[in-house]
Parts: sequence; C-alpha cells; structure tokens
Amino acid sequence: SQQGEEDPQALSIQEGENATMNCSYKTSINNLQWYRQNSGRGLVHLILIRSNEREKHSGRLRVTLDTSKKSSSLLITASRAADTASYFCATITNAGKSTFGDGTTLTVKP
Amino acid sequence: DVKVTQSSRYLVKRTGEKVFLECVQDMDHENMFWYRQDPGLGLRLIYFSYDVKMKEKGDIPEGYSVSREKKERFSLILESASTNQTSMYLCASSVSGIYSNQPQHFGDGTRLSIL
Repeated sequence: SQQGEEDPQALSIQEGENATMNCSYKTSINNLQWYRQNSGRGLVHLILIRSNEREKHSGRLRVTLDTSKKSSSLLITASRAADTASYFCATITNAGKSTFGDGTTLTVKP
Repeated sequence: DVKVTQSSRYLVKRTGEKVFLECVQDMDHENMFWYRQDPGLGLRLIYFSYDVKMKEKGDIPEGYSVSREKKERFSLILESASTNQTSMYLCASSVSGIYSNQPQHFGDGTRLSIL
C-alpha cells in the first residue's frame, strides 16, 4: 500500500449521520494533514495534526493520530449534503516531503 | 485569503506540442508545487520549488520541466506532450522553507487533454 492510504475508498451516508475516514502510512512523519476536494476543484486544507498530538478538533471535524499504528482518522459529525466531496490525507516527513493518498469519496444523501 | 490561480481550467493540445501551464499565487509564499491527479493514483508530485530559480524533482518528473523566475509564478512545461500526460494538473503554494509544516493552498486545477 502507498504512504497516506485512505480507507474506505467510498462512503455513502444519510444527512445527520457521522462519517469516519481512515488513513494509514508507512514512514515517520512530522505532521499529517486532511484536505477536501469538491468535484472539479482544487484541494482545500481542513486540519493539520502534528506528530506529537493525538487529537484535534475544528468545528464538526475531529482528527486523531496514532503514531504507533501509523494511522489517522477523520470524523465528520452531523454530516450535511454540502459535505459531499473527496477527502485526502497528506503525510509530511521531517524532510518536508508530502505524500497524498488516493482519497475517500464521501456522499451525504439529503 | 490566499489565492492560487491557474491560467486555464481546460486545455486541449496535440501530441508533440510544447505545453505551458501557468500558476500564480498572491501571498508571497516561498514554496510552490505541481501535482498531477489521476483516478486511482491520487496526487503525485511532479516538481516543487522552495525559492526563486530553485527547483526539486518530485516523484514523477520525467517528461516535465519547470520554471520559477519570479516568486509568485511557477510554470510547468511539457516539452513534447504525449497522450499519457492527459490528466488534471494542480498547483499549490505554502509558506516557509523546505521543512514547512504549513498547509498547502491549491488552485482549481487545469484539466489537460493531449490528443
């Protein structure tokens, strides 16, 4: 598997439900970032978590990081139809190299 | 807000042509990046630059070159376009030096088709 690999590849939920996406990686990182991409647009940064942090919140977003398991999760609570998008994790090494995963496509049905 | 502008949203070129993709950012960022995005392959880094006239190869630099003559502008050049370079190209910028842990700001992408 590649560095920064998201799971699942696709997720479909009803409005109001929570959505959880996971990211696994292989090498040591300096920080991990989550991005969102609406169809046909560029990526928008959502949240950054440093390697010495375990959890971070931003509005309806909650990110966790487990460096022992080399994994991260993104939780979107009380999802809305407008959350429909692709979500990517990016791992950044101490050398500054960034690697993006393939993304999770989230569909939120109204 | 940071604005990263890519010159074209859609571009159609012919095999063998020299193609220029332009990217401009307005926040005085040191770092700029070019990625290509293909289904099932995610974003792959082609080249990046951490200063004017500086460039570093990314993961897939073959068939591409870049130019950064001014801090705000980073150009991607396809010397002789081939059909396997049909893709979505994304430009990004970020603040600080090569060891940046700052977020990247992306343009809306250029969907390039090589016929």
